[in-house]
Amino acid sequence: QQQVKQSPQSLIVQKGGISIINCAYENTAFDYFPWYQQFPGKGPALLIAIRPDVSEKKEGRFTISFNKSAKQFSLHIMDSQPGDSATYFCAASDSDRDDKIIFGKGTRLHILP
Amino acid sequence: DARVTQTPRHKVTEMGQEVTMRCQPILGHNTVFWYRQTMMQGLELLAYFRNRAPLDDSGMPKDRFSAEMPDATLATLKIQPSEPRDSAVYFCASGLSRDRLGNEQFFGPGTRLTVL
Repeated sequence: QQQVKQSPQSLIVQKGGISIINCAYENTAFDYFPWYQQFPGKGPALLIAIRPDVSEKKEGRFTISFNKSAKQFSLHIMDSQPGDSATYFCAASDSDRDDKIIFGKGTRLHILP
Repeated sequence: DARVTQTPRHKVTEMGQEVTMRCQPILGHNTVFWYRQTMMQGLELLAYFRNRAPLDDSGMPKDRFSAEMPDATLATLKIQPSEPRDSAVYFCASGLSRDRLGNEQFFGPGTRLTVL
């Protein structure tokens, strides 16, 4: 119940296309859903996050869509650029319970120039 | 420019040797996390501290791994004895625990460990 399931494992998108990464969870106590971005040789860094009281959050070309009833959320990258090539992790946290973040397994995104 | 620092960045050692990894969290942060990253398992939480107290080390092999925070500016992860299966990138992250606001974690650059 503590897992966050992420798909696909890897994704190749043409420059200018839309990249979509999906995640699902079971624990209804989760109340914070961040996405982290990791470039090769670097540590992950927070990209964008959402709380379940909204269904969508947009920051520039990055959008999180959240479906509370389905217990699913997704990251959309519009107008994907080669510089977006990285590994993306979805995550979830029960911030009432503790500080831990449960990470998905990650998606390796490659944007073709 | 506040950031988490980790030393060493790379470590190559032989099986059976002791390995100590160090982390300096961002000044003022009160939570520290240790993760291990491998291709197969992704990011695994090994241990976490709040206000220097260990709160969860259930992800850590207890027989060979230990994590401590001697003071607020230093966290250590020790492996003794090391084994080839410990080869991975180890990340330290720090954050500021605030009720119901969601807790961003700031990751260090990682220590790439290779055990021969």
